[in-house]
Amino acid sequence: NAGVTQTPKFQVLKTGQSMTLQCAQDMNHEYMSWYRQDPGMGLRLIHYSVGAGITDQGEVPNGYNVSRSTTEDFPLRLLSAAPSQTSVYFCASSYSLAGPYNEQFFGPGTRLTVL
Amino acid sequence: RKEVEQDPGPFNVPEGATVAFNCTYSNSASQSFFWYRQDCRKEPKLLMSVYSSGNEDGRFTAQLNRASQYISLLIRDSKLSDSATYLCVVNGNNNDMRFGAGTRLTVKP
Repeated sequence: NAGVTQTPKFQVLKTGQSMTLQCAQDMNHEYMSWYRQDPGMGLRLIHYSVGAGITDQGEVPNGYNVSRSTTEDFPLRLLSAAPSQTSVYFCASSYSLAGPYNEQFFGPGTRLTVL
Repeated sequence: RKEVEQDPGPFNVPEGATVAFNCTYSNSASQSFFWYRQDCRKEPKLLMSVYSSGNEDGRFTAQLNRASQYISLLIRDSKLSDSATYLCVVNGNNNDMRFGAGTRLTVKP
């Protein structure tokens, strides 16, 4: 199993550009989520999905869109990149949403710089 | 006030030392608690879940105090390979996970 994969690993954008960060998992997990990690802030939830066709906003959703057309894929779209979106982005998946067995498996991350 | 707060450290300890980290959380309805480990420039990985009665996994012991709303992680006989950032994680109102900013540990020879 590949686990959770993310592409690209690194990306540099100019202000105003749009792009899609890809995330895929092969563990048949229903729950997937996107986080951003900034120095001193911990991981903050951007959007999450509890299954194909169902998405919801997390703590910091502004400037990002998601969709979940299949169980495996959960892309994150930046609509119009801003320097404040410079961050490391992690995608994660888990078997369940709640309870003591909802270990989250993370992808290797995408390091995004917006100039 | 942040939902999950941790002492950022850094904690610098010699090999063989015992070190403890605390984490406080603000949501009294939280039911799930975890410690994750994150190595430099890598993704977080689950270290251990934290159960109500406390639990141990080798050199690692986790405790939960619901009354005071904090969890702790104790590492005994520290190894060089324990050097990492330790993230406290608590579930939020929508069962989404809330992460602390992490405590950095460096174990020195």
